[in-house]
Amino acid sequence: GAGVSQSPSNKVTEKGKDVELRCDPISGHTALYWYRQSLGQGLEFLIYFQGNSAPDKSGLPSDRFSAERTGGSVSTLTIQRTQQEDSAVYLCASSLRGDRANEKLFFGSGTQLSVL
Amino acid sequence: AQSVTQLGSHVSVSEGALVLLRCNYSSSVPPYLFWYVQYPNQGLQLLLKYTSAATLVKGINGFEAEFKKSETSFHLTKPSAHMSDAAEYFCAVSATSGTYKYIFGTGTRLKVLA
Repeated sequence: GAGVSQSPSNKVTEKGKDVELRCDPISGHTALYWYRQSLGQGLEFLIYFQGNSAPDKSGLPSDRFSAERTGGSVSTLTIQRTQQEDSAVYLCASSLRGDRANEKLFFGSGTQLSVL
Repeated sequence: AQSVTQLGSHVSVSEGALVLLRCNYSSSVPPYLFWYVQYPNQGLQLLLKYTSAATLVKGINGFEAEFKKSETSFHLTKPSAHMSDAAEYFCAVSATSGTYKYIFGTGTRLKVLA
């Protein structure tokens, strides 16, 4: 596909379960971002990747959250022992990293996570 | 640390009226500034950006924004609202060096009244 693809689009889980959210960036995009969007909270930065490395993961809320990226492409955000406050839309974005001034983020449609 | 503040979580305007969405930033040095728009059931897309060239920036769909260093503002305007402008708008900031992290505001939902 031409855009950023996220799966699943919706995920309902029980408190205490682990979940994995997937992001397929646009082909050739070297940078990948994860954000969390909660009602009234805007977009909360979680982590970004340059290639397979994560230079900035300062936004991960706790050690229950982790993310990896393999082959400079697909990324997985894992939330262990989910809590109700983890309920949100998780957004992924990718960009063709080059000149900082010309960078443009392309966002996926997100994964709506509901923790019961 | 950088941050952005968007005044007004909801803004309503009549069709044909001026649109003004406010964004103020906090940064020790002039940053790069962006407006992204999220239409219903769509992903966020870039509307326009300021990257230290011209202070008045024009974007898609007739929107523009002016960078005012003295006011630490980057307000988004459109002279005449259209029904299709109804969406959520996010202001964002990033540093000109160091981390590539983007900090987003809490968003402003624009409603256009017929």
